[in-house]
Amino acid sequence: GENVEQHPSTLSVQEGDSAVIKCTYSDSASNYFPWYKQELGKGPQLIIDIRSNVGEKKDQRIAVTLNKTAKHFSLHITETQPEDSAVYFCAASTSGGSYIPTFGRGTSLIVHP
Amino acid sequence: KAGVTQTPRYLIKTRGQQVTLSCSPISGHRSVSWYQQTPGQGLQFLFEYFSETQRNKGNFPGRFSGRQFSNSRSEMNVSTLELGDSALYLCASSPNAANTEAFFGQGTRLTVV
Repeated sequence: GENVEQHPSTLSVQEGDSAVIKCTYSDSASNYFPWYKQELGKGPQLIIDIRSNVGEKKDQRIAVTLNKTAKHFSLHITETQPEDSAVYFCAASTSGGSYIPTFGRGTSLIVHP
Repeated sequence: KAGVTQTPRYLIKTRGQQVTLSCSPISGHRSVSWYQQTPGQGLQFLFEYFSETQRNKGNFPGRFSGRQFSNSRSEMNVSTLELGDSALYLCASSPNAANTEAFFGQGTRLTVV
């Protein structure tokens, strides 16, 4: 089955800095890669996703890049703000009729004011 | 538009008992998935339903079961509870049959004592 590794497990940055979270996956058939943000006491919230036919996708301060050859994808957050502090999860999934995600272990992002 | 609603939010059960958790998806969403989140194992997929049919099942014992009703509401049941079943159980609904762009509920925190 699919295996997703996520690094780092904790990331501490100053407000205004950039943050990068990296994930690798094992199944070359995976073709849908969502990223989720989970705040304390809440469920995960989809923040951006990318499909395998695209190398990069951007949404305001958030961007995701995908390297299918190397089987890794990354989340980039620019101009970080304290409200960006949360746990971020990457996931990889293959369509067998429907996409079932395999999640990374999460990155706790702390943005210091 | 109301989000994904999970009830109850918190639950304490004794070993050996059974429990039923409920999930109401976003109106119009017919795809519902369930996940277990623990500090040790992270986010793990349990099952996925679409139009009352279970399309996918994760690697969990038969004590874990679920169903989806004609109004897309879903329930999951865990029988013969074990201490290791203590977790946050998350439900997600998707606006499409491919189960992408999923929206998560806040989860049900189950504690088994």
